[in-house]
Amino acid sequence: EIVMTQSPATLSVSPGERATLSCRASRSISPNLAWYQQKPGQAPRLLIYGASTRAAGIPARFSGSGSGTEFTLTINSLQSEDFAVYYCQQYDYWPPYTFGQGTKLEIK
Amino acid sequence: EVQLVQSGAEVKKPGESLKISCKGSGYTFPTYWIGWVRQMPGKGLEWMAIIYPAESDTRYSPSFQGQVTISADKSISTAYLQWSSLEASDTAIYYCVRRSPGTSVAGYLDYWGQGTLVTVSS
Repeated sequence: EIVMTQSPATLSVSPGERATLSCRASRSISPNLAWYQQKPGQAPRLLIYGASTRAAGIPARFSGSGSGTEFTLTINSLQSEDFAVYYCQQYDYWPPYTFGQGTKLEIK
Repeated sequence: EVQLVQSGAEVKKPGESLKISCKGSGYTFPTYWIGWVRQMPGKGLEWMAIIYPAESDTRYSPSFQGQVTISADKSISTAYLQWSSLEASDTAIYYCVRRSPGTSVAGYLDYWGQGTLVTVSS
């Protein structure tokens, strides 16, 4: 099973600033990496797939990068609606698909 | 518009059986893999199982193999997740998810249902 490790567990950033979230895989999965956003009381939604492709309707301030085992989600000019929990997920190897433990992005 | 609409919240006692559902619409249901993801209270996301309705091909995460059963009725565009004997540790929100287009099992999750809260308590 591939283990996905996200860091940090909690990230405090001010609105308008940039947030950088990291995700590491226990073996190479490139480019089969997705990012999801989950707001309180809501289902997760797809942000990024293929490590760097934005899903439909996702604002350009969200960007994904990385390859192999190291991946990054960057959110520029943070808006109030961006404060949420973010999960990475590998879909290179099944079973099972595995998620990271999540990074909570909170307002500083 | 693609939608996954799940059945409502359930409250059950340990040892009881349960079957929750997820109805897909806005796309060709049989030709997309559809699966389930668990989220225990205050915790992260865990993959459980996935099915290809056109062929009833199923795959399970090792952690959930033998614990749950995934099925689908392509005639009514509905997927199911069932338990034969619930435990308190099954208390969680269960999300129905559609896997991205493609014939292999590997793929990201492009649409999510609203979630079904299952509470198991004596």
